[in-house]
Amino acid sequence: GQQVMQIPQYQHVQEGEDFTTYCNSSTTLSNIQWYKQRPGGHPVFLIQLVKSGEVKKQKRLTFQFGEAKKNSSLHITATQTTDVGTYFCAGPAYGGSQGNLIFGKGTKLSVKP
Amino acid sequence: ETGVTQSPTHLIKTRGQQVTLRCSSQSGHNTVSWYQQALGQGPQFIFQYYREEENGRGNFPPRFSGLQFPNYSSELNVNALELDDSALYLCASSLQENSPLHFGNGTRLTVT
Repeated sequence: GQQVMQIPQYQHVQEGEDFTTYCNSSTTLSNIQWYKQRPGGHPVFLIQLVKSGEVKKQKRLTFQFGEAKKNSSLHITATQTTDVGTYFCAGPAYGGSQGNLIFGKGTKLSVKP
Repeated sequence: ETGVTQSPTHLIKTRGQQVTLRCSSQSGHNTVSWYQQALGQGPQFIFQYYREEENGRGNFPPRFSGLQFPNYSSELNVNALELDDSALYLCASSLQENSPLHFGNGTRLTVT
């Protein structure tokens, strides 16, 4: 079945270091979404990418959508302790209803001050 | 704040029991989806309701059922609870097609 995979599963960085998480889909996606979940919290929407090769920036966060619309990445420059959490990518299930997203297992980021 | 509220926050049930979880979506969001998130995993789609009708279902057995009401509230019912049903249950609403999901804080269900 359709799968969304993320690597790495865990990432431990020193505050100020950069961080990147990668997302790979087994199928071409119409869009890809990124969510952040703080420890003990719920997923919070960060961004949606729709176009092939799209790059979007939010302050220190840079999101990319691959040319084939099957992979994506999230890069954080100069991490801060507030970046701690698990980052999920998600894409619409093929042939599914609008709320049916396939989530990756997430990358858990810890930041050492 | 997303405006999606869930109750209760935590719940402990015994295997074989039944449970009802509740969600109040954002006003104007006609679509509500329910997700199950096991520890250390990403959310997994259970089903979606649109205008009080189920219009999409993930790989979950029929003992998982739901209802959506005209006032933007909804319920997730799980019968014959199993230990593996222990998870965080998330309700999410969205405004329109391909809009991002707005998740509630979730209900942490523990089945013993």
